[in-house]
Amino acid sequence: NAGVTQTPKFQVLKTGQSMTLQCAQDMNHNSMYWYRQDPGMGLRLIYYSASEGTTDKGEVPNGYNVSRLNKREFSLRLESAAPSQTSVYFCARGPTPLHFGNGTRLTVT
Amino acid sequence: AQSVAQPEDQVKVAEGNPLTVKCTYSVSGNPYLFWYVQYPNRGLQFLLKYITGDNLVKGSYGFEAEFNKSQTSFHLKKPSALVSDSALYFCAVRDDNYGQNFVFGPGTRLSVLP
Repeated sequence: NAGVTQTPKFQVLKTGQSMTLQCAQDMNHNSMYWYRQDPGMGLRLIYYSASEGTTDKGEVPNGYNVSRLNKREFSLRLESAAPSQTSVYFCARGPTPLHFGNGTRLTVT
Repeated sequence: AQSVAQPEDQVKVAEGNPLTVKCTYSVSGNPYLFWYVQYPNRGLQFLLKYITGDNLVKGSYGFEAEFNKSQTSFHLKKPSALVSDSALYFCAVRDDNYGQNFVFGPGTRLSVLP
C-alpha cells in the first residue's frame, strides 16, 4: 500500500448517517489527497492538502469535509451520507508520483 | 484546465502479442504524465512517469510509454503481454500550471487471453 493506510476497508451506511474515513501515511510527505472511484469515470479528486493545516477543494467536494490535523493523517468526513456517495474512496500521498492506499468501499442505502 | 482521455474502454490481446493502451491529454502548461495499474480490490500502483527528457519512458514489469508532444499522447506499451497483465489501467496528468492537482482518465480494462 506504498505506506498509505486506510480504514475501514468496507462500510455500509444508511442515508443520513455520518462517518469518517481515516488515512495515514508512514512517511513525512506534505501533500495528501482524497479521490473517489466510480465505474467509467476514473478517479475524481474530492479534496487535497498541500501541507499540514491546509486543504483545498477538488472536482467533487460537495457533501464532504476533510481534516489535516498533522502531517501523517488526512481524514474525510461524510456528515449526512447519500446514495450518490456510494463509491470506492482512495487516499494518496505525494509528492510526484502519487502513492495510493488500498481503498474504502462505501455503500449508502 | 487539464484533462485526460482513454479512448478505449477495453483492450483484448493474446498472450505473447504486443499491447498498446492509448492515452491523450490536454494541458495549458507542461505536462507531467503517469500510468497506473489497478488489480481487483487494490489501490492504484504506479507504473511509470514522464516529466522531462527522453520521449520513451521505461517502467515497471516491462512496460514503457512514448510521449508525443505534437499528438498530445502518452500511449502505454509492452512488447509481449502476459495473462498476469490483465487489469485496469489509468493514465493521469499533472499540469505544472495547476500545482499538485492530478487528473485521471476513465481507465482501460486490459484482458490478456491465454
